[in-house]
Amino acid sequence: AQTVTQSQPEMSVQEAETVTLSCTYDTSESDYYLFWYKQPPSRQMILVIRQEAYKQQNATENRFSVNFQKAAKSFSLKISDSQLGDAAMYFCAYSEHSGYALNFGKGTSLLVTP
Amino acid sequence: NAGVTQTPKFRVLKTGQSMTLLCAQDMNHEYMYWYRQDPGMGLRLIHYSVGEGTTAKGEVPDGYNVSRLKKQNFLLGLESAAPSQTSVYFCASSYSKGASGSYNEQFFGPGTRLTVL
Repeated sequence: AQTVTQSQPEMSVQEAETVTLSCTYDTSESDYYLFWYKQPPSRQMILVIRQEAYKQQNATENRFSVNFQKAAKSFSLKISDSQLGDAAMYFCAYSEHSGYALNFGKGTSLLVTP
Repeated sequence: NAGVTQTPKFRVLKTGQSMTLLCAQDMNHEYMYWYRQDPGMGLRLIHYSVGEGTTAKGEVPDGYNVSRLKKQNFLLGLESAAPSQTSVYFCASSYSKGASGSYNEQFFGPGTRLTVL
């Protein structure tokens, strides 16, 4: 089974600063999808950004961008100009191209300070 | 368009009681999933379904049963609840693989917090 590792249980960032959350994964597949989900205190799982493994270009969504290093099996999330509303748990997830389920990491709790 | 809804939002059970969690989606998705979330563990797959009338086991299926009698509904049953099943349960749905524009994004419901005493 594929494993997803988030090595930072907690991170802290000041408002307006930039923070990077780390994620590594293990797979023998060449085609797959990677995701970052945000879970605020409301518990709702919100998709932040996705990356298709066959695409070399890193995905970006407004203030959120990823650094996808396929050979290193690394998929980090960069949040620029951090806002108080970014405070949440962030989960990295992996899905096989031909599979069904998401494999989640254990999450990183992001604290944003004024 | 309600997306994915879950009923109930909260429930407290006693050990040995049974209950059913209902998940409904109005996006005409083929695939549906049940996950559980425990502190420090992320989300883990319990069961999933790739279409009406079909179900399959995920990573942590023991103690649970599921049914998908209608495409829009996916039920998760606990026949004899145990304290180890205290958790937050999430339902999700997604398009079938190969569908136009599909990249297996899963849409999640708001979760059900279950406590088993």
